[in-house]
Amino acid sequence: AQSVAQPEDQVNVAEGNPLTVKCTYSVSGNPYLFWYVQYPNRGLQFLLKYITGDNLVKGSYGFEAEFNKSQTSFHLKKPSALVSDSALYFCAVSYSGSARQLTFGSGTQLTVLP
Amino acid sequence: DVKVTQSSRYLVKRTGEKVFLECVQDMDHENMFWYRQDPGLGLRLIYFSYDVKMKEKGDIPEGYSVSREKKERFSLILESASTNQTSMYLCASSPGVGAVDGNTIYFGEGSWLTVV
Repeated sequence: AQSVAQPEDQVNVAEGNPLTVKCTYSVSGNPYLFWYVQYPNRGLQFLLKYITGDNLVKGSYGFEAEFNKSQTSFHLKKPSALVSDSALYFCAVSYSGSARQLTFGSGTQLTVLP
Repeated sequence: DVKVTQSSRYLVKRTGEKVFLECVQDMDHENMFWYRQDPGLGLRLIYFSYDVKMKEKGDIPEGYSVSREKKERFSLILESASTNQTSMYLCASSPGVGAVDGNTIYFGEGSWLTVV
């Protein structure tokens, strides 16, 4: 079985400060890891993914995520937050690389304060 | 850009009504999905289709059915809507195995369904 946990329902950060949205996972074998963002009343947009290779993955809108195998984590980061980054962020994991097998976390609401 | 279009953004239906949610994708993707999104529960897969007329149950198929008669179109059907089906429904698609981004899912804008 696979699972993904986003331990924080809500993260608040001041504009210009670095932000981190946490994600831990449990999967048999090598994980395929994803981050998606959802703006209010919209669908989910793909941000970035880790399949293999470099542990630091760069994605859209200046976001990056760090894969840490020993800690089974895949935290989303951005060096300097913008008010427009305020949204709901979802982490997802798959053991097989198949989109059918993707399991989503419960989401973290990020609020960037001006 | 991949475009996944859900025909209805906001619907209000009565208990017991039959409800159709329609979804179209324009990227010739093999796979299509219907998810349900509820606060605190994340996304839960209702049904998955990997080809025309082919479908697979997801994690919460009870009370739902699907139809995929054409590759680009995937419909979600609530045979007899109930209040506990009030939710946000998200359609999505992904390329088949072997594609460069075969494991990336592309979502539509969502359909808010309220059952009264």
